[in-house]
Amino acid sequence: GQNIDQPTEMTATEGAIVQINCTYQTSGFNGLFWYQQHAGEAPTFLSYNVLDGLEEKGRFSSFLSRSKGYSYLLLKELQMKDSASYLCAGGTDSWGKLQFGAGTQVVVTP
Amino acid sequence: EPEVTQTPSHQVTQMGQEVILRCVPISNHLYFYWYRQILGQKVEFLVSFYNNEISEKSEIFDDQFSVERPDGSNFTLKIRSTKLEDSAMYFCASSEERDRVANNSPLHFGNGTRLTVT
Repeated sequence: GQNIDQPTEMTATEGAIVQINCTYQTSGFNGLFWYQQHAGEAPTFLSYNVLDGLEEKGRFSSFLSRSKGYSYLLLKELQMKDSASYLCAGGTDSWGKLQFGAGTQVVVTP
Repeated sequence: EPEVTQTPSHQVTQMGQEVILRCVPISNHLYFYWYRQILGQKVEFLVSFYNNEISEKSEIFDDQFSVERPDGSNFTLKIRSTKLEDSAMYFCASSEERDRVANNSPLHFGNGTRLTVT
């Protein structure tokens, strides 16, 4: 399986920008997904990348470099409701079998 | 927006008992999954299901686990004889057809069933 590594926690103020990095092993890689998970709730799909480059979706953007085994999720204009865990997940050769990281807890402060 | 629904939201059972967790995937989705998340740990893949059969299962998904699509809408996970370590949040997910480039497509998760084994 893949090792998905991401920071445990990040803190930022309302209105700011935060970048959550994720690294993974490149063998068997098949797309990189980002999910948001509020405590006690389901993961909610945010973005995914299969090719190198930046994908932008409103306040959220995700970047992928396959050669470096690296991705990041960029959250702009942070709002209090963005306080959540952000999960990086690697797609594998097996259809629908995602390898999740432990999640990065983002705390947004006033 | 269509969503994956799961029942019950919380299930408490005694060790050794059988439990069935129920899910209604998004109606036009073809691929179905179960994942679980032990409190404070990562989300873990259990099983994928397509065309009325298991596509892949993880090491966690041993003989005590089974899945079924009994009709055109429901997708169930059965644990025959629960153990204390089965206590977790169980998420059902579904996805539509493959993205031809990525060979993958986003999974949409239900709100989960919190299983507590005592």
